[in-house]
Amino acid sequence: KAGVTQTPRYLIKTRGQQVTLSCSPISGHRSVSWYQQTPGQGLQFLFEYFSETQRNKGNFPGRFSGRQFSNSRSEMNVSTLELGDSALYLCASSLNDNSNTEAFFGQGTRLTVV
Amino acid sequence: ELKVEQNPLFLSMQEGKNYTIYCNYSTTSDRLYWYRQDPGKSLESLFVLLSNGAVKQEGRLMASLDTKARLSTLHITAAVHDLSATYFCAVAAGYALNFGKGTSLLVTP
Repeated sequence: KAGVTQTPRYLIKTRGQQVTLSCSPISGHRSVSWYQQTPGQGLQFLFEYFSETQRNKGNFPGRFSGRQFSNSRSEMNVSTLELGDSALYLCASSLNDNSNTEAFFGQGTRLTVV
Repeated sequence: ELKVEQNPLFLSMQEGKNYTIYCNYSTTSDRLYWYRQDPGKSLESLFVLLSNGAVKQEGRLMASLDTKARLSTLHITAAVHDLSATYFCAVAAGYALNFGKGTSLLVTP
């Protein structure tokens, strides 16, 4: 059974640019969450999607957005990149049917903003 | 706002020794997770604890949950070098996980 797949694995972008990251959840999983990991702030929740609907959003500026498609794949977009956006972005998927809420994480996308 | 505190943040221990990592959280939750992260890698799920008094064990690791005290522990028995990693607890708040800062564990000979 394939795990959570994130692409690309590494990205280098310039300040002011925008970036789109992709996440394919485990087959059958309908919930996808995104997290930002930095040495200073640790792991912080960005947003969660279920059946194409955003159900929860973390405390991040509007430059951070996401969406989920009908096949449960999700993308997140960061516009007007800042140096502080450099981080490891992790995607997690879960069944979220209230009987098995274990979240499985992908390998992450390491974004460097220069 | 749900706050999650782990301690210690850094732990150096000798092989064969026992130790406990603590995870305190500030508000009621129905799910607590423990994850392991190796350098440059993603998060590996270790345990999901869903109810008061829950105890789960896998190899040299045992996790427990006391929802009344809002406390979870991760106990390491007879540590081996392969356990060197960063361990995170995460507490569910709705559809989000709130993570502790992590405990960096180094097991030395």
